[in-house]
Amino acid sequence: GDSVTQMEGPVTLSEEAFLTINCTYTATGYPSLFWYVQYPGEGLQLLLKATKADDKGSNKGFEATYRKETTSFHLEKGSVQVSDSAVYFCALSDRNFNKFYFGSGTKLNVKP
Amino acid sequence: GAGVSQSPRYKVAKRGQDVALRCDPISGHVSLFWYQQALGQGPEFLTYFQNEAQLDKSGLPSDRFFAERPEGSVSTLKIQRTQQEDSAVYLCASRPQGRHGYTFGSGTRLTVV
Repeated sequence: GDSVTQMEGPVTLSEEAFLTINCTYTATGYPSLFWYVQYPGEGLQLLLKATKADDKGSNKGFEATYRKETTSFHLEKGSVQVSDSAVYFCALSDRNFNKFYFGSGTKLNVKP
Repeated sequence: GAGVSQSPRYKVAKRGQDVALRCDPISGHVSLFWYQQALGQGPEFLTYFQNEAQLDKSGLPSDRFFAERPEGSVSTLKIQRTQQEDSAVYLCASRPQGRHGYTFGSGTRLTVV
């Protein structure tokens, strides 16, 4: 069945460091791919998405490219801030966006 | 309201007790979803409504779990005879017609003791 695997955390970085959080997926058909972020005490928020191969999603300095050949959707940011500290979830959806499959989450701690 | 509202925020139930978790979606949102998030894990799909119709309940883990949305707005997730393995955060999300993105609520944390 469909599934997402993402790197385990926590990931601890200093402010302004480069961030990569790896995500790979298994899916039948042509899923859409997403990154969600969960700040402490808050609900999941959509960070970015890509709906087809080679698309790049971007938001708030974060980027991820849908790589069909490597079944990956790695999240990157060139310079993290303390305010980026949160849990990040990679996810894929079915073609109708009615069912999401989430990874187990990666906690990011950014130190000043 | 401005967002998806879930109540209660926290619920402690004794094993064997029945619980009801409420979700108020964003007004006018046609689709409503329930997910279960165990500690340290990502959310897992439970069920999906379009208006009052429950179109997919494939993720409900057992027949002790039941969800309804009788008037196509507020939804209730009911868990009968709770077990310790039901302890999790239950997330509700809603989505307007014709859009892809969900808006998630902050969840209800259920602890079964």
